[in-house]
Amino acid sequence: EVQLVESGGGLVQPGGSLRLSCAASGFTFSSYSMNWVRQAPGKGLEWVSYISSSSSTIYYADSVKGRFTISRDNAKNSLYLQMNSLRAEDTAVYYCARSGSYVADFDYWGQGTLVTVSS
Amino acid sequence: QSALTQPASVSGSPGQSITISCTGTSSDVGGYNYVSWYQQHPGKAPKLMIYDVSKRPSGVSNRFSGSKSGNTASLTISGLQAEDEADYYCCSYAGSSTYVFGTGTKVTVL
Repeated sequence: EVQLVESGGGLVQPGGSLRLSCAASGFTFSSYSMNWVRQAPGKGLEWVSYISSSSSTIYYADSVKGRFTISRDNAKNSLYLQMNSLRAEDTAVYYCARSGSYVADFDYWGQGTLVTVSS
Repeated sequence: QSALTQPASVSGSPGQSITISCTGTSSDVGGYNYVSWYQQHPGKAPKLMIYDVSKRPSGVSNRFSGSKSGNTASLTISGLQAEDEADYYCCSYAGSSTYVFGTGTKVTVL
């Protein structure tokens, strides 16, 4: 069974940093591209970042470019999101989502971890 | 990277069919046949319902169907059931492994 479990969320002050993790199991993690998608409270989904299976290709949404860094450790079956210079508008539930075998299909999602940016 | 436009809400009675639209631009929806749809129940993670505009993943009911014309994609739910009450989001490929989601539609079963 495919499982994605996020961790690392919490309360952080504006300008602060936080590192999210996503532990993957039930599939060959090193064969799949991964993504971070976030959802502000009561709002819609927003794609945040993409990383290819080998980490050779990385993309970010304009809203986080230069502040967030996606990475992965295939030996540890883990995905990460380093978030720096956090703003109030970054407050959201952050989901890790697997890219399926096609384009624009996020076929498995974690349960999400809440990041709150507030003083 | 502006969000795709969806109606805020759509409702229907049990057994009826409803359609949710998703309007983008030639840089996303209109430029690629890579539109997916997600169902999200309150407090839960999204679930993939449609990919590649009209394909259903294994296990998804055939009451869900997708289509696209120009810059607008659509999700149709036929034979509406109480369990279909949820938020629905479209998503389009926007080039260079970037993606854009829709604004979301709340489906209410009357």
